[in-house]
Amino acid sequence: AQTVTQSQPEMSVQEAETVTLSCTYDTSESNYYLFWYKQPPSRQMILVIRQEAYKQQNATENRFSVNFQKAAKSFSLKISDSQLGDTAMYFCAFMKPSAGNQFYFGTGTSLTVIP
Amino acid sequence: EAQVTQNPRYLITVTGKKLTVTCSQNMNHEYMSWYRQDPGLGLRQIYYSMNVEVTDKGDVPEGYKVSRKEKRNFPLILESPSPNQTSLYFCAAPRDRGPGGVFLKEYFGPGTRLTVT
Repeated sequence: AQTVTQSQPEMSVQEAETVTLSCTYDTSESNYYLFWYKQPPSRQMILVIRQEAYKQQNATENRFSVNFQKAAKSFSLKISDSQLGDTAMYFCAFMKPSAGNQFYFGTGTSLTVIP
Repeated sequence: EAQVTQNPRYLITVTGKKLTVTCSQNMNHEYMSWYRQDPGLGLRQIYYSMNVEVTDKGDVPEGYKVSRKEKRNFPLILESPSPNQTSLYFCAAPRDRGPGGVFLKEYFGPGTRLTVT
């Protein structure tokens, strides 16, 4: 089974500052996808950003960017200019197409943005 | 609008009383799955289905059943619920195909909060 590890159960950041959430994964696959999902208090799971393993360029989505280190099997999420609405649980996830779209999630990092 | 719906959103029941959580998607996808979310454990897959009448166990299938008699519906069945099945449950279906037909996003329903006393 694939494993996804998020070693930071809780983090906090001042509004407008930058914060980085860590994620590592373990796989022997060469073709896979990595994701960050956000879960606000409403409990809805929202896709934040996606990274294809075959792409060397790090994905970015507005204030969200990733640092994808394939050799180190590391996939961190950077949130710039943090906003109060970024307060949420963040989950790192791994998917390998060879397993028919099966997703594997980390245990989550609870982020609090402090006004 | 693409949707994954679940019912009920909240359910409190007693040990041993059979229950079903329904899930429906309007995206005409073959693939659907069920997850449970527990504090400190993240989301864990219970069962998934690759197509009608094709289901398979995920990481934590014990105590659960599923059925897939039609493409749009994928109910989760607890034949004899126990307190350790108290959890937040999500149904999901993929969206947005990428290269090679790979689905690039797991689209989640709103969640069902289940409490078993």
